[in-house]
Amino acid sequence: DSGVTQTPKHLITATGQRVTLRCSPRSGDLSVYWYQQSLDQGLQFLIQYYNGEERAKGNILERFSAQQFPDLHSELNLSSLELGDSALYFCASSFSGGATDTQYFGPGTRLTVL
Amino acid sequence: GIQVEQSPPDLILQEGANSTLRCNFSDSVNNLQWFHQNPWGQLINLFYIPSGTKQNGRLSATTVATERYSLLYISSSQTTDSGVYFCAPKTGANNLFFGTGTRLTVIP
Repeated sequence: DSGVTQTPKHLITATGQRVTLRCSPRSGDLSVYWYQQSLDQGLQFLIQYYNGEERAKGNILERFSAQQFPDLHSELNLSSLELGDSALYFCASSFSGGATDTQYFGPGTRLTVL
Repeated sequence: GIQVEQSPPDLILQEGANSTLRCNFSDSVNNLQWFHQNPWGQLINLFYIPSGTKQNGRLSATTVATERYSLLYISSSQTTDSGVYFCAPKTGANNLFFGTGTRLTVIP
């Protein structure tokens, strides 16, 4: 158990809908990362937050947004869902968000868009 | 971003055998992690190893940063070692770049 929690574990929804994925980092970690794992793109970085502020952005679509709250949990919002958004979404956390930090991954949320 | 190549893409082993997985990367790194993704999809941290050698039980890893590669050794493999092994280096950016993985199947 990495100490990173994600809810829900599974999510099934329809095209055009909006969903919210939630992540709680390990105790003491200030930085949260979101990654997407899909069959065609592999595992890729979406976005990083540090202590409530966005720090880095990767291949995140404009239909997706995220935020980190004062209690350090984070939410990833996916809107106008398409079939291709079906994927495993991971949250990771690290202490300072720096270059030499170890990132610890949560169990993931499996999103299926029908 | 950095390019990450892992080999072999697939590996089938008899239980008890040893194996070496390789990760080549295209740029200098300040961090590198190895992960095991089990059949349930969980990503489990194996090593944080930007350089040098580390050992943890039957697993060990070596990174030669100057030559831009890392190796993961699995000895006396067990069926529970099955899954996909990912190498994920990090350069100046703060995110990890994942390779396409090595899919390991250990048969009893």
